[in-house]
Amino acid sequence: ETGVTQSPTHLIKTRGQQVTLRCSSQSGHNTVSWYQQALGQGPQFIFQYYREEENGRGNFPPRFSGLQFPNYSSELNVNALELDDSALYLCASSSGGSHSETQYFGPGTRLLVL
Amino acid sequence: SQKIEQNSEALNIQEGKTATLTCNYTNYSPAYLQWYRQDPGRGPVFLLLIRENEKEKRKERLKVTFDTTLKQSLFHITASQPADSATYLCALEEGNQGGKLIFGQGTELSVKP
Repeated sequence: ETGVTQSPTHLIKTRGQQVTLRCSSQSGHNTVSWYQQALGQGPQFIFQYYREEENGRGNFPPRFSGLQFPNYSSELNVNALELDDSALYLCASSSGGSHSETQYFGPGTRLLVL
Repeated sequence: SQKIEQNSEALNIQEGKTATLTCNYTNYSPAYLQWYRQDPGRGPVFLLLIRENEKEKRKERLKVTFDTTLKQSLFHITASQPADSATYLCALEEGNQGGKLIFGQGTELSVKP
């Protein structure tokens, strides 16, 4: 076990709704990265938060937004949900921001958009 | 941008044999490359990291090689066991942006008793 937790484990939403996913990082880690994993694909980088600031973003639209709290836990918010947003959302904990190497993943949140 | 290719076809081998998985990348050589294991419905689990100046790295029954000339990494599991059945992902950092990992699509390994 990595010590990284995510909630909820599963979620069903309808198109157009908004969703918030949560992640608690491993003790001692100050960096959280979020990834989207579609079925049969590898994880795709959404963005990274380091010491409460966004520290890099992948090729995702602005309706994907995030937040990191002083205790380094993090939220991923997705507005105006689309069917293609159905995926496993993973958060990964590490230390050192842009100097992060190994990342420790949580179990993921499975999101289904109908 | 960097692209990673892993064998998309599942690899089926007999227990006790060595499994070899391939990861090829297309552009610049990264400072390091990582391998993760992922079980169905779960997050990836870190296995090994190999740096550009390392040719080979071992951990128990696992061995990783890194050839920056061929732009390829090989991942070996010796004396494979049914419990090794999983999807194995290769990852490297994007454009020297530490912490932003690009993953291959993964290779599913099935070890039969």
